[in-house]
Order: sequence, then C-alpha cells, then structure tokens
Amino acid sequence: SAVISQKPSRDICQRGTSLTIQCQVDSQVTMMFWYRQQPGQSLTLIATANQGSEATYESGFVIDKFPISRPNLTFSTLTVSNMSPEDSSIYLCSVAAGGPQETQYFGPGTRLLVL
Amino acid sequence: EDQVTQSPEALRLQEGESSSLNCSYTVSGLRGLFWYRQDPGKGPEFLFTLYSAGEEKEKERLKATLTKKESFLHITAPKPEDSATYLCAVQAGHASKIIFGSGTRLSIRP
Repeated sequence: SAVISQKPSRDICQRGTSLTIQCQVDSQVTMMFWYRQQPGQSLTLIATANQGSEATYESGFVIDKFPISRPNLTFSTLTVSNMSPEDSSIYLCSVAAGGPQETQYFGPGTRLLVL
Repeated sequence: EDQVTQSPEALRLQEGESSSLNCSYTVSGLRGLFWYRQDPGKGPEFLFTLYSAGEEKEKERLKATLTKKESFLHITAPKPEDSATYLCAVQAGHASKIIFGSGTRLSIRP
C-alpha cells in the first residue's frame, strides 16, 4: 500500500483566484492521478501525472485550467486556475502501487469551496 | 464504452441484517475490479481487488465476488460502523486509469 498526504485539507477561495494542491506519497511511484468529486457524485479522473512527461488530461479537462506538476516520484501538484463556484469539489490525489497487480490508493482529499 | 453501474443507490439496513450491493460492468478485457469504502469528507479506502470470474475475497463482515458481468459486495451481520458509501471501479485492458461507479450509500441503524 501507499500513504498519501494532501495539502491543504480544505480551503475557501474567491472566484477568479487560483489554488495549488499538493500531494505527497511515502514511496516512489510511477503513476499519480488527480480526481474530482463534486458534491454527491462519484469520482471523475482529471488527469494522469507521470514523472518526466506532461500530464495526460481526460476529456473535458484542459491544462490551462488544471495545470499539473510532477517534479519527482513522490510529489505532484494540481492547480485549479481562475476558479468559479462550479469548481467547488473535493480534489483527490491517487497513486498506483503494488507491482504487476497494481491498486490505486487515495489521499484524504482537498475540500474546496469557491465563493 | 466502458461502464460501471452500481445498485441500489442507497440502502438502509437494521444492524445484523445481511444484504448485498451490486456492481455491473461493461469493459473491454477486465484487468481488475476494485471495491472501496468512502466515509463522508474522506478519500476512498481500498477494500478488495478481484481479477477473474469466480474469485472471492473476504475482510471481516465483507465478502466480494466476481462474475463475467458483475460483482457483489456481501455484508454479513452489519454494524453501524459499516455505514459508508461503497464504490466499485474497473480497470480495462492495458489502461492505467480506473472507472468508478456512482456508489451505494449504506446506512446501518442500531
């Protein structure tokens, strides 16, 4: 398994501003993922972040809105840019670990409210 | 298109009343099916991975089973602390990403 921490755990932001969320894992992992979970909804994948290459974004998500950094094998950041109230969600970091039969483990999430 | 459907959306049980949650899936070459538990305000907690039809896994009061079309999460004699949202997810073929169902909100009354 993997132990994942996220900062901040929650924040309240004004529309038009940006927030950077940090994700730290206790072991080196190749693949990290960023998800969004809107109120009462399930998880939606935003992008996959691999070290040494640009993130791969899912349909409906763009780099200008959700820039991602992956400077090493234990750390990643997700920025939510030019926020609007529709961006109010829980943002979750996830890593794939466990060798050939890998499993995704999740961080505690960042609860974002945009006013 | 790969798809995961969970039922029911919500389930209320009395403490000790056993039941099952369903996860139906359509995927191109199942690589793995995952069950997670999510408490309010927290990230999903990994429970099980199933890889092939006929496989079963157990953990305390939970037992997960898998067929070629669906998975069941059986809860035996549940307790109030089992109350949570249970999420099912699938990973297809050589894909790295997993696709989540909408979840089942389980509530256990004392």
